[in-house]
Amino acid sequence: AAGVIQSPRHLIKEKRETATLKCYPIPRHDTVYWYQQGPGQDPQFLISFYEKMQSDKGSIPDRFSAQQFSDYHSELNMSSLELGDSALYFCASSTTLGARTEAFFGQGTRLTVV
Amino acid sequence: DAKTTQPTSMDCAEGRAANLPCNHSTISGNEYVYWYRQIHSQGPQYIIHGLKNNETNEMASLIITEDRKSSTLILPHATLRDTAVYYCIVGGYGQNFVFGPGTRLSVLP
Repeated sequence: AAGVIQSPRHLIKEKRETATLKCYPIPRHDTVYWYQQGPGQDPQFLISFYEKMQSDKGSIPDRFSAQQFSDYHSELNMSSLELGDSALYFCASSTTLGARTEAFFGQGTRLTVV
Repeated sequence: DAKTTQPTSMDCAEGRAANLPCNHSTISGNEYVYWYRQIHSQGPQYIIHGLKNNETNEMASLIITEDRKSSTLILPHATLRDTAVYYCIVGGYGQNFVFGPGTRLSVLP
């Protein structure tokens, strides 16, 4: 079965650079979530989208922005990168159709800021 | 903040059942109980979820108390590959998933 695809899997950036992370949800899933997981920490919710509209917002820095496109893929844009942004970034998707409510996660993008 | 409380860590012998408890005393009537696990920096893996009835799938069983204030995830025959951090998450339809500290399960040979 198709899963959530994230790209790139690994990314190295320098401080003050920008980065774009991409997420391709499971086909027919209409909701996308972004999470950040720092070293030794639990995943922290950043932002979510339903039908291309922002649906919820968590602890996402102002330097970050995200959007969901017409084909339902999503991109997380990160600017003025800081060393503390080094983390695993997970995307998850779910569908509002039917009785299924669980979300499925991708394998993540490991961002390293040097 | 997470709406659940779980033990920090647990051990289980390989081949035995692993029973992971979770308290969610403030759960609302329309909120589900979800279980995910994360194996060393991989993406969280969905295990099972339920509303008020007990649920079973190919991975695990979920037992929810009648008052819905607690639940137990049961891995019937734990293997070394089940060593992971297990997260119990409470959420409603359309809500995001809030991860707490979870339980670090170690399956021992």
